Amino acid sequence: AQTVTQSQPEMSVQEAETVTLSCTYDTSENNYYLFWYKQPPSRQMILVIRQEAYKQQNATENRFSVNFQKAAKSFSLKISDSQLGDTAMYFCAFDGQNFVFGPGTRLSVLP
Amino acid sequence: EADIYQTPRYLVIGTGKKITLECSQTMGHDKMYWYQQDPGMELHLIHYSYGVNSTEKGDLSSESTVSRIRTEHFPLTLESARPSHTSQYLCASSGAGRGDYEQYFGPGTRLTVT
Repeated sequence: AQTVTQSQPEMSVQEAETVTLSCTYDTSENNYYLFWYKQPPSRQMILVIRQEAYKQQNATENRFSVNFQKAAKSFSLKISDSQLGDTAMYFCAFDGQNFVFGPGTRLSVLP
Repeated sequence: EADIYQTPRYLVIGTGKKITLECSQTMGHDKMYWYQQDPGMELHLIHYSYGVNSTEKGDLSSESTVSRIRTEHFPLTLESARPSHTSQYLCASSGAGRGDYEQYFGPGTRLTVT
């Protein structure tokens, strides 16, 4: 069975700084998708970024980018120029045989 | 903006009552999911469906039941609510293709059982 691990339960970053959230996963599959979701306090869960495993190029969406290391089964999220609105729970997710979410990282952006 | 809806948004109900949480999506997605989540905590999959008349239990044991009679509708029912059911319930849906689509989430139902 696939598992997703996020080793940082909580993180904080100063506004305008850069922060990296870690995610590792375990699977025997070769073709799969990876996602980062954001859940702001008391608000709806939304997709931040996604990565297809067959693509070597790391995905980028404005201030959000990933570092996808397939051999290491690592999928970290980098947030550049952090903003107060980035304060949220961030969930890493794996979509292969099954869809699996990690336990989440609570990110606080400090003014 | 994802077209997935949940009602009610908030519900306070007494122990022993039967409740149904509604979830509907207008995207034609085959796959639908129910998650239980305490505020600020991880998601626990309690039920999922890959199509009409198909339902499965998730990883977290739950006393709830679901049905999938129409593609767009995936209601969750608690026959007898208990205080331990107090939590947030999130509904999600995704397309039929494996890995083709991410999960889209509804706004959630925050349930309090007194």
